[in-house]
Amino acid sequence: DVKVTQSSRYLVKRTGEKVFLECVQDMDHENMFWYRQDPGLGLRLIYFSYDVKMKEKGDIPEGYSVSREKKERFSLILESASTNQTSMYLCASSIAGGVGFETQYFGPGTRLLVL
Amino acid sequence: DQQVKQNSPSLSVQEGRISILNCDYTNSMFDYFLWYKKYPAEGPTFLISISSIKDKNEDGRFTVFLNKSAKHLSLHIVPSQPGDSAVYFCAASSGGYQKVTFGTGTKLQVIP
Repeated sequence: DVKVTQSSRYLVKRTGEKVFLECVQDMDHENMFWYRQDPGLGLRLIYFSYDVKMKEKGDIPEGYSVSREKKERFSLILESASTNQTSMYLCASSIAGGVGFETQYFGPGTRLLVL
Repeated sequence: DQQVKQNSPSLSVQEGRISILNCDYTNSMFDYFLWYKKYPAEGPTFLISISSIKDKNEDGRFTVFLNKSAKHLSLHIVPSQPGDSAVYFCAASSGGYQKVTFGTGTKLQVIP
């Protein structure tokens, strides 16, 4: 069964702290994604990665960076957390191509509160 | 610029009736469309998809209709069940590119 796990369900951080959100998938998927979900704005893509050590900016990359050192793990880093980064963060993965590549599998999400 | 729009933030339907969720898009390059369902405190899960070469795809109680000329798709749920109460996201992608653009979501409540 497909599984995407995220390191924390809830996090509370202070403004200016460096924050790491970890995501692991066990499906050997090539693609991994980080989104944030905000009321009225839906899911917005922050960054994605199509291979180890490869990354591409999504629609809202400002204030974030990512790391993908291993195929199964994709980390989202908030270099200096700000209150406007309070949100639900969702990680997803998908296969690289072929039938069904558009289908993404999501983790349960991390609700981050920045005070 | 919201390329995928779900203009109804919420929808209430009686159990057993039809639920119709709508989605509009602006990017004519989109050629594959998906619907995801999200329960509170869980990640979205894939529900149904449709390629632009089709105008309808059916899976059990769920049917997606695509009107390319109007850049509009809809998800029909018949009959609606209380367990269908969730937020539904429309999504679209283009040209085999892995990036998917999501809509803002519609919260469906099915009343027993």
